[in-house]
Amino acid sequence: SQQGEEDPQALSIQEGENATMNCSYKTSINNLQWYRQNSGRGLVHLILIRSNEREKHSGRLRVTLDTSKKSSSLLITASRAADTASYFCASSGGSYIPTFGRGTSLIVHP
Amino acid sequence: SQTIHQWPATLVQPVGSPLSLECTVEGTSNPNLYWYRQAAGRGLQLLFYSVGIGQISSEVPQNLSASRPQDRQFILSSKKLLLSDSGFYLCAWQGRGGYNEQFFGPGTRLTVL
Repeated sequence: SQQGEEDPQALSIQEGENATMNCSYKTSINNLQWYRQNSGRGLVHLILIRSNEREKHSGRLRVTLDTSKKSSSLLITASRAADTASYFCASSGGSYIPTFGRGTSLIVHP
Repeated sequence: SQTIHQWPATLVQPVGSPLSLECTVEGTSNPNLYWYRQAAGRGLQLLFYSVGIGQISSEVPQNLSASRPQDRQFILSSKKLLLSDSGFYLCAWQGRGGYNEQFFGPGTRLTVL
């Protein structure tokens, strides 16, 4: 299975701190994506990183990919209360269909 | 721009009743379409995906079925709901060519009593 697993399952921080979430996957990938989900809503795509890329930035988000360790991390810098949400990684390998992990629940306290 | 719609937003149904959830996409052609189910506090379970009209692939054998009668319409159905069918159902589309990001609808919260 291509399934990614996020770590930690839950993360609680103060506003202004950085939040780091990790994702591991099992087999070789074509790309890895990160999504955000607010409670009771659909998922929103954040960043897609391809297997030949090592780092990608988007605003306060930084994603890294280490294919040798089959892992990725999502860093949110200077977190805000509005960043409170669940974050999922999804990996695509031989099949173009992304496989989602169980997510990390992030709570940012104001 | 592309948009994806799902309805209804919430649904409460008795055990044994039928189900029909609809998903439509605007602003794109020939999308790959997906149905996911998400249990409370859990990840996404892929139920069905479709690469074209009438083409449905099932990932998990269960009490549900899917149909794609039009290019941008994806329907999730059941003839008789079970308690275990309760959950949050998400539809998503993905551009052709694969290996692209998915775009999700707002979801349908289904409660089977």
